Amino acid sequence: SQTIHQWPATLVQPVGSPLSLECTVEGTSNPNLYWYRQAAGRGLQLLFYSVGIGQISSEVPQNLSASRPQDRQFILSSKKLLLSDSGFYLCAWSGYVADGYTFGSGTRLTVV
Amino acid sequence: QQPVQSPQAVILREGEDAVINCSSSKALYSVHWYRQKHGEAPVFLMILLKGGEQKGHEKISASFNEKKQQSSLYLTASQLSYSGTYFCGTDGSSNTGKLIFGQGTTLQVKP
Repeated sequence: SQTIHQWPATLVQPVGSPLSLECTVEGTSNPNLYWYRQAAGRGLQLLFYSVGIGQISSEVPQNLSASRPQDRQFILSSKKLLLSDSGFYLCAWSGYVADGYTFGSGTRLTVV
Repeated sequence: QQPVQSPQAVILREGEDAVINCSSSKALYSVHWYRQKHGEAPVFLMILLKGGEQKGHEKISASFNEKKQQSSLYLTASQLSYSGTYFCGTDGSSNTGKLIFGQGTTLQVKP
């Protein structure tokens, strides 16, 4: 069966520090991969999505970047964090349309 | 464009029914529905792919009116476990696979 792993679960980082969040999917090949951010009490904002290795689409101009170095690995990065980068970051994958998205357990990032 | 959900919040007693609506200003290829418990990741409930389609999941069902660019989620005889925030996610007419989510509807079911 397919599983998605996301880590770390929580992270507290100072302003100006770098960021690297990792997401991996098991049990499937060539998945579509997504990064979403959720501010406290708010909806899900699509940040990046990828349909294949090295193929990244950015949905919102911001302080973040994404990479997909391997088929089932998706990385979210920042060179210098801002206070506004705080939030709940969710990785998701999709395969067959009818199966919808499967989300990872999320990373709660607090920038101080 | 982000779909608009209504109402923003609902409080129910166990056994009562609720309807959550999702409207888009753009033509849609599909509508997804997800439920998120506090502090957890959203969980997929169902997807509707064609206009006029209805689907069900236990006592939760949904409809999709393609012409009106609207979807509704129906929760029948609500249970305590139905509490959470419900999100609709829409994919534009080009079927990109990218979901844009509504702002969410918080449902609280009380004993």
